[in-house]
Amino acid sequence: GIQVEQSPPDLILQEGANSTLRCNFSDSVNNLQWFHQNPWGQLINLFYIPSGTKQNGRLSATTVATERYSLLYISSSQTTDSGVYFCAVERSGSARQLTFGSGTQLTVLP
Amino acid sequence: NAGVTQTPKFRVLKTGQSMTLLCAQDMNHEYMYWYRQDPGMGLRLIHYSVGEGTTAKGEVPDGYNVSRLKKQNFLLGLESAAPSQTSVYFCASSYILGLAWSSYNEQFFGPGTRLTVL
Repeated sequence: GIQVEQSPPDLILQEGANSTLRCNFSDSVNNLQWFHQNPWGQLINLFYIPSGTKQNGRLSATTVATERYSLLYISSSQTTDSGVYFCAVERSGSARQLTFGSGTQLTVLP
Repeated sequence: NAGVTQTPKFRVLKTGQSMTLLCAQDMNHEYMYWYRQDPGMGLRLIHYSVGEGTTAKGEVPDGYNVSRLKKQNFLLGLESAAPSQTSVYFCASSYILGLAWSSYNEQFFGPGTRLTVL
């Protein structure tokens, strides 16, 4: 199956700092999603981004499908950004199944 | 519009007991999925359904059964619970826009069910 690797596994930031999270995948993908799992366990859709660049407020994401990676940028981080960020991909021809990475645990300190 | 809902939110079972988790979505999505999340890991697909009356196995299907009798509901059953099935269970749904494999398929998740098997 497809391998999805996220880095770094853990990240601690001071409020106001910027960060970049990376997702590498081992095969061609049709689709890619970024999620934020908040401290209450809920999965929140951040981006649906099989290719290209998108921005939503302080967050933006870029996927370079030909090079098999995606980046999530968080600018001016806030304590509410804390949680786990997951990348999930749908391998080409996989019957629409998502394969998740192990996540990046982000802690933003006040 | 409630999105994806899951019942119950928490459950404790003894080894060998059975139970059913209910997932409901009000977005008229064709596809529905059941995932499990173990500590420190991403989600893994248990079973999924591409439409009413159809189901298929995912990555970790053993010990689970599913049914999709109505388009809006997807049930996950544990016939004889084991401690290894202690996990958080997430349901998701999506609609497919287009016929090609590369067509739009954004999945939306429910709030999860925390299951403990003693």
